[in-house]
Amino acid sequence: RKEVEQDPGPFNVPEGATVAFNCTYSNSASQSFFWYRQDCRKEPKLLMSVYSSGNEDGRFTAQLNRASQYISLLIRDSKLSDSATYLCVVGNNNNDMRFGAGTRLTVKP
Amino acid sequence: NAGVTQTPKFQVLKTGQSMTLQCAQDMNHEYMSWYRQDPGMGLRLIHYSVGAGITDQGEVPNGYNVSRSTTEDFPLRLLSAAPSQTSVYFCASSLVAGRSYEQYFGPGTRLTVT
Repeated sequence: RKEVEQDPGPFNVPEGATVAFNCTYSNSASQSFFWYRQDCRKEPKLLMSVYSSGNEDGRFTAQLNRASQYISLLIRDSKLSDSATYLCVVGNNNNDMRFGAGTRLTVKP
Repeated sequence: NAGVTQTPKFQVLKTGQSMTLQCAQDMNHEYMSWYRQDPGMGLRLIHYSVGAGITDQGEVPNGYNVSRSTTEDFPLRLLSAAPSQTSVYFCASSLVAGRSYEQYFGPGTRLTVT
């Protein structure tokens, strides 16, 4: 079993739609959580950190459920420019970061 | 700032050859790391360094060596290339060695081993 699991998608949604991704992790001792965005053939870039209380950044909302060991990302009012692969990242201790394989999103006109 | 730079962008090797992937950052970051990314799998940590002179193994270190003689540079050496090392390699850095800091990635090196 992978330590961080994501639905690979692809998710194909129209502009303006709301889309949600989930990610599950297996290590209950995990301490830090992130969503990264990766465009095709580019490097990953931090989208947002995920805090225990949940956090929002514009159209993006991230939630953490420690009891069930999952993280979610909600994108509202999808834009064409949101098309990318979204990587769930879980930090266990110090710099031991584990990446999910990513969920691919395509937003269509 | 250039951020994190990697060279080369593309490389083709024959089985058994050795080479060094270069990585440099100009942000005075303490932490640097190397990942490989393969289709259907997440990025996997190869080696990392929490400061000059200090390196440690990640999840998939076999077949790779690293050194950190300066804060800026963190080269990855493939000792004897194998087809299983065909992958995209990313170098990353973070301000402080710790669990909650954003990692900045270089543009990647696409390596093919034939």
